[in-house]
Amino acid sequence: AQTVTQSQPEMSVQEAETVTLSCTYDTSESNYYLFWYKQPPSRQMILVIRQEAYKQQNATENRFSVNFQKAAKSFSLKISDSQLGDTAMYFCAFITLSGTYKYIFGTGTRLKVLA
Amino acid sequence: EAGVAQSPRYKIIEKRQSVAFWCNPISGHATLYWYQQILGQGPKLLIQFQNNGVVDDSQLPKDRFSAERLKGVDSTLKIQPAKLEDSAVYLCASSPALGDTRQYFGPGTRLTVT
Repeated sequence: AQTVTQSQPEMSVQEAETVTLSCTYDTSESNYYLFWYKQPPSRQMILVIRQEAYKQQNATENRFSVNFQKAAKSFSLKISDSQLGDTAMYFCAFITLSGTYKYIFGTGTRLKVLA
Repeated sequence: EAGVAQSPRYKIIEKRQSVAFWCNPISGHATLYWYQQILGQGPKLLIQFQNNGVVDDSQLPKDRFSAERLKGVDSTLKIQPAKLEDSAVYLCASSPALGDTRQYFGPGTRLTVT
């Protein structure tokens, strides 16, 4: 079975500090993409960052970066210089490039940035 | 470019009533997804369309849920009759094509069944 596990239901960080959100996944496929999505109270899912599994280099997007450990099936998100607007639910997800291309989401981590 | 549109944003119904949700994907997007997001959980795929054909509906409770995308553009998701456990946010997403990993989400419809 394909699964995504986010073991931190809630986290908090001081404004301007750095925080890391954890994610592990399980799949027998070799070709897949990993994602982090942000869902603020407005409920709109916003793509934060995407990683292609065949690329060893970790993806970065401004203040957001990932630590992708393919052998360990780990995909953590690091947010640097945290801002109040980063307060949201963060979902880890992956999609395999075979079959029906279905997203599998984790249960989410609620992040609160404190002033 | 307009995003994915959904309506209504909120709906409150009593159990055993019926309800319908509407989704208009981004223009030109061939693939459309409906997700159910129960409070405290991640989105779960209910049904996936490629144009007007169903690609995956393995997790759709077909005794009460139905969905259609007749002209390969707009889609409706219906629940009849609703149960208390159907209370959730229903998200619609679209993608340019099957196999394109980019998914664009709508704002969702929050359903409360009392």
